[in-house]
Amino acid sequence: QKEVEQNSGPLSVPEGAIASLNCTYSDRGSQSFFWYRQYSGKSPELIMSIYSNGDKEDGRFTAQLNKASQYVSLLIRDSQPSDSATYLCAVYGQNFVFGPGTRLSVLP
Amino acid sequence: GAVVSQHPSRVICKSGTSVKIECRSLDFQATTMFWYRQFPKQSLMLMATSNEGSKATYEQGVEKDKFLINHASLTLSTLTVTSAHPEDSSFYICSASLDRVRGNEQFFGPGTRLTVL
Repeated sequence: QKEVEQNSGPLSVPEGAIASLNCTYSDRGSQSFFWYRQYSGKSPELIMSIYSNGDKEDGRFTAQLNKASQYVSLLIRDSQPSDSATYLCAVYGQNFVFGPGTRLSVLP
Repeated sequence: GAVVSQHPSRVICKSGTSVKIECRSLDFQATTMFWYRQFPKQSLMLMATSNEGSKATYEQGVEKDKFLINHASLTLSTLTVTSAHPEDSSFYICSASLDRVRGNEQFFGPGTRLTVL
């Protein structure tokens, strides 16, 4: 069983701080890695994709991938209350597998 | 780009009736479409994967005779919940996969909230 694991949270950070979300995966052959944001009652929205080791930055978001450690993370700088949501890590190898999500709460 | 629509957004039906949900990729051709179900405060649960012109692949525990999936074209997939019962009430979300050189990004529709009375 190929798995993707995340801390369920909730992760609470003050406004303006850096939020760090972590994800580990079991399929060493995985090729593509994604972060989705899901607001309560809404469907997931793709915010980052990363395919090679290292960092990828997009605005306030930075995705980090370490294939040797089978670890992918998402950093959100200058967190805002509007960032409060559930963040889903997804991994594509043979199949597309979602993690259970981490609930982030940014406190004003 | 990469917009996925779903219709209807919300449906309320009586127990025993069938409900059809449509999923369309509006500005791209999707090689694969996925159907998920999500209960309140729970994570996404993949129900089935469908490719255009072929039978859907259902996840373990999902009744294929109850959840009929038709993938008629590269831009349209439908999910029919047959003889719906209150326990089928859930948030149904489709997604469409956009092939890339090194990955298959999934783009989600807005979801359909089904309530079976």
